[in-house]
Amino acid sequence: DTEVTQTPKHLVMGMTNKKSLKCEQHMGHRAMYWYKQKAKKPPELMFVYSYEKLSINESVPSRFSPECPNSSLLNLHLHALQPEDSALYLCASSQGPAPWSNQPQHFGDGTRLSIL
Amino acid sequence: KQEVTQIPAALSVPEGENLVLNCSFTDSAIYNLQWFRQDPGKGLTSLLLIQSSQREQTSGRLNASLDKSSGRSTLYIAASQPGDSATYLCAVRNTGNQFYFGTGTSLTVIP
Repeated sequence: DTEVTQTPKHLVMGMTNKKSLKCEQHMGHRAMYWYKQKAKKPPELMFVYSYEKLSINESVPSRFSPECPNSSLLNLHLHALQPEDSALYLCASSQGPAPWSNQPQHFGDGTRLSIL
Repeated sequence: KQEVTQIPAALSVPEGENLVLNCSFTDSAIYNLQWFRQDPGKGLTSLLLIQSSQREQTSGRLNASLDKSSGRSTLYIAASQPGDSATYLCAVRNTGNQFYFGTGTSLTVIP
């Protein structure tokens, strides 16, 4: 069992829908990350939060909106997505201040997102 | 931009064999390098983390080495088992605080 919990596990949505992905960890980690992974490709970093503040945005389109309401929770709000946004969305966390943390990242099992 | 390559892309070995997975990166200014395994449809499980100042890390049947100057890391798996079948990914963390994942090696251990 992973210590980083992501919900939902699967999500199917239309291009006009608004939905949110949720990530939770209770390890006391202060850095949290969103990645996007297409089939048979490595994960690509989207966002990094450090102490609940956005520290890295890898030029992600504005239809993806991250939110970190507290140190244990990370959300990714989705709106007006495109079919090419269909992918596995992975959340990760690590100890210490990011992005200079030298501690390993711990990943959730991801949310499989399909855009119709 | 850092480019991380893993060779081979796929590997199939009989159970019990020792094997080596390779990871190469183009920019040696890294902070650390982490090896993961990923089972189909799942997230990533951290295997080993090597800091830039370290040469080697071991955990059970796994041994990871790092040669920062040549831009290489290897993951050695001893006495492979069918349960080792998965995709193995390396990821480097640049001193510029960016993360880059390798292309992955899909390992199949045949009983």
